[in-house]
Amino acid sequence: DAGVTQSPTHLIKTRGQQVTLRCSPKSGHDTVSWYQQALGQGPQFIFQYYEEEERQRGNFPDRFSGHQFPNYSSELNVNALLLGDSALYLCASSSGNQPQHFGDGTRLSIL
Amino acid sequence: GNSVTQMEGPVTLSEEAFLTINCTYTATGYPSLFWYVQYPGEGLQLLLKATKADDKGSNKGFEATYRKETTSFHLEKGSVQVSDSAVYFCALILTGGSASKIIFGSGTRLSIRP
Repeated sequence: DAGVTQSPTHLIKTRGQQVTLRCSPKSGHDTVSWYQQALGQGPQFIFQYYEEEERQRGNFPDRFSGHQFPNYSSELNVNALLLGDSALYLCASSSGNQPQHFGDGTRLSIL
Repeated sequence: GNSVTQMEGPVTLSEEAFLTINCTYTATGYPSLFWYVQYPGEGLQLLLKATKADDKGSNKGFEATYRKETTSFHLEKGSVQVSDSAVYFCALILTGGSASKIIFGSGTRLSIRP
């Protein structure tokens, strides 16, 4: 049983570019949440998707957007990249009130 | 607002030592409390949880008790191993409502010497 899978593992972009990160939830999970983890910090909640709609959003600018597909997989898009967007981006999936399961993340580096 | 504060690291111990990592929280409502562990190059794994006051979560020799009166959820282990070296995050989720986001502390890096 595959857990949460994220792609790509690593990514290097330059300032001003756009990036798309992908997440496949654990089998049986219908809710996907995205977190940003800066170096040496705890993860910060970006947003959560359920039934293909954004259900809750953290304190992140509109440059951060997402999407959930009918198969429950999700994408995180970041436009106009800034140096400060360099971080580990974590996807977590869940169902109902069960604990969230995390993927291994995508490490995004902005040059 | 809702927040989690945990002791700063790094914490360095010898193998078989006793471990305590302090965690306190501030929350409106009735949170569920968690400890997550992150090994190098990996995502977060749920270590243990407690959903109401006085509950004790336990897993792999680690324990934490939900103390409402002191708003604390300290992580303890009686005898640590080298394989316990990792970053530990205390976290909360506010129960109720349709959505749930995890609020994490800043993490505590634990290093165990052989």
